[in-house]
Amino acid sequence: DTAVSQTPKYLVTQMGNDKSIKCEQNLGHDTMYWYKQDSKKFLKIMFSYNNKELIINETVPNRFSPKSPDKAHLNLHINSLELGDSAVYFCASSQVWGGETQYFGPGTRLLVL
Amino acid sequence: DQQVKQNSPSLSVQEGRISILNCDYTNSMFDYFLWYKKYPAEGPTFLISISSIKDKNEDGRFTVFLNKSAKHLSLHIVPSQPGDSAVYFCAASGRNYGGSQGNLIFGKGTKLSVKP
Repeated sequence: DTAVSQTPKYLVTQMGNDKSIKCEQNLGHDTMYWYKQDSKKFLKIMFSYNNKELIINETVPNRFSPKSPDKAHLNLHINSLELGDSAVYFCASSQVWGGETQYFGPGTRLLVL
Repeated sequence: DQQVKQNSPSLSVQEGRISILNCDYTNSMFDYFLWYKKYPAEGPTFLISISSIKDKNEDGRFTVFLNKSAKHLSLHIVPSQPGDSAVYFCAASGRNYGGSQGNLIFGKGTKLSVKP
């Protein structure tokens, strides 16, 4: 009964490809997030999203886009992958918007060759 | 521009002793602080939090102290156990300000090793 799950766990792909990472939460939370942990180990927010509002970190390239088919899912689409996109991507969710305790998925390790 | 800083990348303590992990922040709008614990190949898991209206919050072996004037918080683990060995992330947010201020800003983490 994983609270926040992500697929795939590992993703190896070539530069220029388009890929998606899926995230699902079964906690009934209203808000979901995507984070990127880079090679320097910083965990940085990419997107915050609920059914009313999407907040995008201004540093995130527009090649990255979140897509939410329903409240329990927030997928991450990445177009034209670049070497610098290699990182671990974490999905998270929280009961309400903004700063509440967030529950994280196990991460997706993306390697762009 | 690191708004949340964990200046010690690693800490090693003996089992049974106290572990003290430190965190400093720069943004005066932060009003909610959290500690997360992360094992290798897993996502961070919530450990303990504190609101800016408090200076201490305790949960079992874990206590978080907040010094707002110094913009400093610390996590105390007493007694430390080998299973506590993990990376500990400090995080902060300005949740009462709404919008992007409610996002969590993470420190770089401190790797704690508790030796038997």
